[in-house]
Amino acid sequence: EVQLLESGGGLVQPGGSLRLSCAASGFIFNNYAMSWVRQAPGKGLEWVSSISDSGSSTYFTDSVKGRFTISRDNSKNTLFLQMNSLRGEDTAIYYCAKDLIVGATIFGSWGQGTLVTVSS
Amino acid sequence: DIQMTQSPSSLSASVGDRVTLTCQASQDISNFLNWYQQKPGKAPKLLIYDASNLETGVPSRFSGSGSGTDFTLTISSLQPEDIATYYCQQYADFLFTFGGGTKVEIK
Repeated sequence: EVQLLESGGGLVQPGGSLRLSCAASGFIFNNYAMSWVRQAPGKGLEWVSSISDSGSSTYFTDSVKGRFTISRDNSKNTLFLQMNSLRGEDTAIYYCAKDLIVGATIFGSWGQGTLVTVSS
Repeated sequence: DIQMTQSPSSLSASVGDRVTLTCQASQDISNFLNWYQQKPGKAPKLLIYDASNLETGVPSRFSGSGSGTDFTLTISSLQPEDIATYYCQQYADFLFTFGGGTKVEIK
């Protein structure tokens, strides 16, 4: 059974940094691209970032380019999201998601999410 | 960027009703379109991928259709457990945008 467990969320001041982690199990981690999707309070889903299976390719939504970095440690089956220069509009639940099949960005499995609150 | 527009933003229907949700892309996305269900306080769940493929374990009352720019998600007979918000998502380019969602309620 696929399991994705996010951690690292919390309260941070504007301009601060946080590093989110997603521990994966139940599948061959290094075979699949992984993504982060967020949801602001009472709002819809927003794709944030994706990383290829090897980690060699990364993609970001425009609003986080230059501030967020996505990475992965395939030896530890863990996905990361480093968030710098945080803003109020980054406040959201952050979900990690696994592609359903290799080569297609279909979010087949999701974690339970971790809440990031950016506020002074 | 490809914009995804869902309609209606919300709907109310009776148990047993046939319900149709629509999603429109701002440009041709072929069949690179997925549908997700999100119940309150829960993570989203994949329902349909590549416009019309039912994810394993999803009830057969859910179906998807469309290609190009216009897509539909149909619930053939609405059940109380289908109360949720439904999102479409495209992956035709590397900005994997979601629609704004359709909230489905029971009348």
